[in-house]
Amino acid sequence: DAGITQSPRHKVTETGTPVTLRCHQTENHRYMYWYRQDPGHGLRLIHYSYGVKDTDKGEVSDGYSVSRSKTEDFLLTLESATSSQTSVYFCAIREPGDNQPQHFGDGTRLSIL
Amino acid sequence: AQSVSQHNHHVILSEAASLELGCNYSYGGTVNLFWYVQYPGQHLQLLLKYFSGDPLVKGIKGFEAEFIKSKFSFNLRKPSVQWSDTAEYFCAARYGQNFVFGPGTRLSVLP
Repeated sequence: DAGITQSPRHKVTETGTPVTLRCHQTENHRYMYWYRQDPGHGLRLIHYSYGVKDTDKGEVSDGYSVSRSKTEDFLLTLESATSSQTSVYFCAIREPGDNQPQHFGDGTRLSIL
Repeated sequence: AQSVSQHNHHVILSEAASLELGCNYSYGGTVNLFWYVQYPGQHLQLLLKYFSGDPLVKGIKGFEAEFIKSKFSFNLRKPSVQWSDTAEYFCAARYGQNFVFGPGTRLSVLP
């Protein structure tokens, strides 16, 4: 398995609080992604990064921000969490190259009450 | 808009039955296609991928998929399923740097 660690694995918090999820990789892959997984929707892209300090928005970026100050770390922040952001969040990494697949972390289950 | 659809929400089969899960993707020029599997409580794992060349792609665990360009389809098949194949299956397409996933198909295999 790819060296991807997501932290925390589970978190319960209250509406209006800030939340930061961390994705750490040991593979030195250039591309990193944050997805949320919800029943009936599959995985939806929140943000991705194509290098240090280089990020772009995905399909469902509203309410989320990201930062990548080092190759190995990609942080996802919910500035003021809402109940609609209750979900399972997956980080993925990928090497450059058209035929390179994504490799996924174990996910973070986030519940916002 | 770029999109991936999967034909079935939930498929229930008996062991040794044959499997075919449908996947269609929207046109977007050059597209790379993937099938991932997610076992309960686990992360997504790559089953197989199509980049170019032979449209019949073989993956791990006895799965294969056929790319039919004229139908914008990339269906997943397995001749004989096992109870251990119970999982959720996701089709995905890469459009440039954007990966789009289908909603998933839950497969339940009865022993």
